[in-house]
Order: sequence, then C-alpha cells, then structure tokens
Amino acid sequence: QEQMVESGGGLVKPGGSLRLSCAGSGFIFGDFFMNWVRQTPGKGLEWISYISSSGSSIFYADSVQGRFTISRDNAKNSLYLQMDSLRVEDSAIYYCAREPRYLYYFDLWGKGTTVTVSS
Amino acid sequence: EIVLTQSPATLSLSPGERVTLSCRASQSVSTYLAWYQQKPGQAPRLLIYDASNRATGIPARFRGGGSGTDFTLTISSLEADDFAVYYCQQRSIWPRSFGQGTKLEIK
Repeated sequence: QEQMVESGGGLVKPGGSLRLSCAGSGFIFGDFFMNWVRQTPGKGLEWISYISSSGSSIFYADSVQGRFTISRDNAKNSLYLQMDSLRVEDSAIYYCAREPRYLYYFDLWGKGTTVTVSS
Repeated sequence: EIVLTQSPATLSLSPGERVTLSCRASQSVSTYLAWYQQKPGQAPRLLIYDASNRATGIPARFRGGGSGTDFTLTISSLEADDFAVYYCQQRSIWPRSFGQGTKLEIK
C-alpha cells in the first residue's frame, strides 16, 4: 500500500545539523509534489518546505529559509531535508507530506520523525 | 502570511451530536482551504479540500463549507472515532499555513 517513512531524527546541539529522509513506496514517487511539515505542542502544525516533482520549484517558510534545504531523488523514491544551524525552536516532529498535482493539499503523510535540539 | 484562526479551541460533546467548527482567514483564500483530522500519535488525515470536497474515503457526515475568509466543518452526527483534533489549512498564498486546531473531546 502507499506509505512514506521518515528517518534521521534525533538529538542535536544548537548550531548543529541533521539530515532527514523520507522514503515513499506503493506509488510513483516522481509524480507527486512533496512537502515537509513540522509539529510542536506550542505552535501546532507548521508547513516548512515544498519541492515540485522535478525539483525545479522550491519554497521555504521564513522560519527555516537559509538554514534548511529540501531535495529529492526520484530514482530512489526519496525526499530529504538538510537542516543546518539548528535552533532550540526547531525541535518538533517532522512529517513528509505528499501533494498530488491535481489536489494541491497533503493527501498522504508519514508517521513523522522527532528532532530535539538541546544543549 | 495568512493567519488562520480556529474556534473554539476545545469542544466537549457527546456521540450523536452535531458539531460545527470554524476557521477564519486573515485575508481571502477563495475556496483554497482544507480540513485535516489528527488523532493522538498519528499524522493528520485529509478530510476536506477546496472548502467543500470530501477526500477519498471520508464519510458523508463530514461536510465543509464557506469561501473567502469564513469556513466551517460540520460533522452531522458524531461517532466515537471522530473525537480528535481538527486543523484547517490554506493553499491560496505562500507560505501555506494551518490553523491552531480545535480539539473535539467526549463529554
């Protein structure tokens, strides 16, 4: 069945880096736009980045612009989020979310991976 | 950035009751609004897209409405499985944004 699985979360010190991955299966990964959305108890759900199916179009939330980099490898059915210069406020559950080009909303989510930024 | 304000923050209701949740946008989003349901320990699930269209597999008791800045999600008769947190989300203008959520709890 269709699913996505995130990995790469963990504990990192402020200023450090992490790379999240999201592996898709059960569907043609390259046909879909992809996003990263994070969730914290305090701020709720926050969209943070989008990448088009080919990778030619990318958007970021202001809160991560210049620090995070989204990318994808359609041959490997994978989405990535390189997170640099991490801050305490980046601590969250990070979800990858699929976006069909005919829908423009998030119709399939992974279970999430937890990132904790703490000294 | 478009701010989505959901009300109320929490609702205590009984199974069988009808409920209407509200989502108000800080500026018009036309009908480019979705609703998601999230249960504890799970990712959000898409319920309604473009304000009033049910996503695949969503029961008919869920109905979305509204346009511009004011939107509603109505559940006609609450079932035990419906007690969860509901979020609205707009795609009209970047950045995409979510409301802060409304929690439906069992009375």
